[in-house]
Amino acid sequence: GDSVTQMEGPVTLSEEACLTINCTYTATGYPSLFWYVQYPGEGLQLLLKATKADDKGSNKGFEATYRKETTSFHLEKGSVQVSDSAVYFCALSEDTGKLIFGQGTTLQVKP
Amino acid sequence: KAGVTQTPRYLIKTRGQQVTLSCSPISGHRSVSWYQQTPGQGLQFLFEYFSETQRNKGNFPGRFSGRQFSNSRSEMNVSTLELGDSALYLCASSLQLAGPYEQYFGPGTRLTVT
Repeated sequence: GDSVTQMEGPVTLSEEACLTINCTYTATGYPSLFWYVQYPGEGLQLLLKATKADDKGSNKGFEATYRKETTSFHLEKGSVQVSDSAVYFCALSEDTGKLIFGQGTTLQVKP
Repeated sequence: KAGVTQTPRYLIKTRGQQVTLSCSPISGHRSVSWYQQTPGQGLQFLFEYFSETQRNKGNFPGRFSGRQFSNSRSEMNVSTLELGDSALYLCASSLQLAGPYEQYFGPGTRLTVT
């Protein structure tokens, strides 16, 4: 079945450092890909999405490109802030109401 | 526009009891999905409802059930609670009738089973 694999955390960075969180997927069809973020004590917020190969999703300085040839959707940010500290989830959907999530990556940014 | 709301936010129940959780989607959204989040299993899909019909179902036992009302509000029920049902239950709503599904999540209901 479909699955999503994320790099293990936690990831600890200093403020203004570059961020990359790796995400790869396995899917039978042609899924849409998402990154969600969860702040402590809250639900998930949609960060960005991509629906076809070579699409680049971007939001709040975060970017991810849908790479069909490597089945990847890595999350990147050029300069992280303390306020970016959260848990990040990569997810896919085969155009249904079912999201399949990776295990989540905790990011801690230190001042 | 108000977001997805879930009630109650926190709940403590005893093994063997049953519980009902409620979710109100964003106005105009007709699809509601439910997820269970635990430290061990992560985020797992429970089921999806659209126009009062269950459209997708995850791999959970029959103790987990749900329904959707004509105003798109949804409830999920867990009967005969087990300790392992302790989790954060998240509800998400979506506008699209077909992909890509952008799902918007509520804050969750934290269920503790003792």
